[in-house]
Amino acid sequence: EAGVAQSPRYKIIEKRQSVAFWCNPISGHATLYWYQQILGQGPKLLIQFQNNGVVDDSQLPKDRFSAERLKGVDSTLKIQPAKLEDSAVYLCASSFGQAFDSRRELFFGEGSRLTVL
Amino acid sequence: GDSVTQMEGPVTLSEEAFLTINCTYTATGYPSLFWYVQYPGEGLQLLLKATKADDKGSNKGFEATYRKETTSFHLEKGSVQVSDSAVYFCALEGYSTLTFGKGTMLLVSP
Repeated sequence: EAGVAQSPRYKIIEKRQSVAFWCNPISGHATLYWYQQILGQGPKLLIQFQNNGVVDDSQLPKDRFSAERLKGVDSTLKIQPAKLEDSAVYLCASSFGQAFDSRRELFFGEGSRLTVL
Repeated sequence: GDSVTQMEGPVTLSEEAFLTINCTYTATGYPSLFWYVQYPGEGLQLLLKATKADDKGSNKGFEATYRKETTSFHLEKGSVQVSDSAVYFCALEGYSTLTFGKGTMLLVSP
């Protein structure tokens, strides 16, 4: 079974530039998550989708970050314009079930490492 | 809000040593608790979980018991191997999201 696919694996940009990350979840997984993991910290949820609807985006900096999940399958996370503090690994995860569902095991991709200079 | 506190690393052990990584949490209600592991160059993967008080999660020789009275979920393994070297994250599930600790790096030498 194919895992969660993410691209690109690495990206280096200058501040004020834009960047986009792509995620393809495991087939059949209705829930998709984007997490931000800053060096030395645990992952922090940015946005959660259920199919193509947003469940939680309370910690997404909406002035510069945006995300969409077209047709309830793959997803894109965009940052525009980037700031130095956006340097992090952006993790995508997917799950079959929802909150409090025993099938809700999150499967993570390998992440996209962003460096903002 | 919900929070998870883990012991700082790195934890450095010799092969076959006993491992404990401490984790405590703050949450309203009765969250589910998890340990995730991240091997070098790989994504996070679920190691074990417990969904209610006094439950014990176990996998690959690792164990953790959900202690409501001490709000803890410490990870233990009786005999670590070099292949256990990784970063371990404690996490809790609140209403709809996972809240992670900062992670603890484990380094096991032969």
